[in-house]
Parts: sequence; structure tokens; C-alpha cells
Amino acid sequence: EADIYQTPRYLVIGTGKKITLECSQTMGHDKMYWYQQDPGMELHLIHYSYGVNSTEKGDLSSESTVSRIRTEHFPLTLESARPSHTSQYLCASSENRGSNYGYTFGSGTRLTVV
Amino acid sequence: GDSVTQMEGPVTLSEEAFLTINCTYTATGYPSLFWYVQYPGEGLQLLLKATKADDKGSNKGFEATYRKETTSFHLEKGSVQVSDSAVYFCALRDAGGTSYGKLTFGQGTILTVHP
Repeated sequence: EADIYQTPRYLVIGTGKKITLECSQTMGHDKMYWYQQDPGMELHLIHYSYGVNSTEKGDLSSESTVSRIRTEHFPLTLESARPSHTSQYLCASSENRGSNYGYTFGSGTRLTVV
Repeated sequence: GDSVTQMEGPVTLSEEAFLTINCTYTATGYPSLFWYVQYPGEGLQLLLKATKADDKGSNKGFEATYRKETTSFHLEKGSVQVSDSAVYFCALRDAGGTSYGKLTFGQGTILTVHP
């Protein structure tokens, strides 16, 4: 059973539309992350948050934005979708205590922009 | 900075074959090491982990030993099944390194097991 939820699972949308990918977790984790996964499977960190009102850009530059108004909620928004945004987006969260703990991932949102 | 290098794939095996997926790492601190598995159409699931040198992580018949002297964390399974077909990611998390406690992933290895 998943403790971190992403919606929608699949989304096909036209160029220029605004979209928000939802991510929620019920574990009380302070740290949350967004990854973009390309067809070659490699994972790229695009945003992360260490708590409410804290957001940082990741290693890969992205035109998306994020917000963290509540601990459990970390949505990702694209103001104007383009075909280059077509990808799988994975949300994750982690324990607040140290580096011995891994991340818990959601099931992902597969976005296709046509 | 921190980095993880996995053996290049894809890897194709017959059922009941022995599996090794190599993983080596570079880290400035004392990292914890992880293997994640991603089944088709799903997110990543933690498969196993090791938090200090010489620790062995194990789960579902998979094993990996944290080797500090060779900076390696190779994944092994004695007899693979068709249901093991997935993408496998090696990762490290280093509280004292340049990644500031974030997970650093390898590039992933696609495993396909044929009946």
C-alpha cells in the first residue's frame, strides 16, 4: 500500500495548457522531491523541499515550479506545456532523520504533451 | 562530488540464471547505499540497503555487500525469475558529502528474464 500518492497516473494534454501534477504523502515527512525520468530510465532531480515554505531547484533545470504550503502536499506546475515536457514525473519523500533512510516513491505521472 | 556508476545494460538472462549488476560509487563522506527496483509503469521501490562498511543488505533473494575498500555495492541473485524483469537503480545517500543528504542515483540497469 502506497503512503505517497501521485495523480493523475497518465495525462495527455495539448501544447500551451497549464497543468498541475499532484503529490501527497501521509508519513509526515519534511523532505520531498520531484524527479523527471527520461526514456533512457535515468532519473533527474528537478525540485526538492525540506519543509513548509522551503523549495529549491534540483540538478536539472526545469521550467516547472513547485510549492509547499502544507507538509503533506508538494504539487508541480507547468504554466505552458510543450512537447519537450513529455516524460515520467516521480515524486518522493524521505524520513527526517539522517542519511540511513532511503526515499519512498509514488507511482509516477506519465505526461504526454501533443 | 558524489556519484554512482552502474554496469551498462540491458541485461538479458534465462530463468534460474545467476545475476550480478555491478555498482561502484564515489563519495566524500560515509554514505548509506541502496538498491531500488522499478517495475514497468511503476515508481521506484526500495529493494535493500546497507548503512556501513561490510554490511550486507538482502531482500527477496537479492543481496549486496557494502565494500568500502573497492567502493562497490554489487547486486546479486542466485536464481532469477521472469518476475524479476525490471529496472534496477543503485543509489547512495551521504549526509556529509556534497549532495547534502540527497540520494544520488546510478543510471539504471534494465534486466529482462526469459522463461
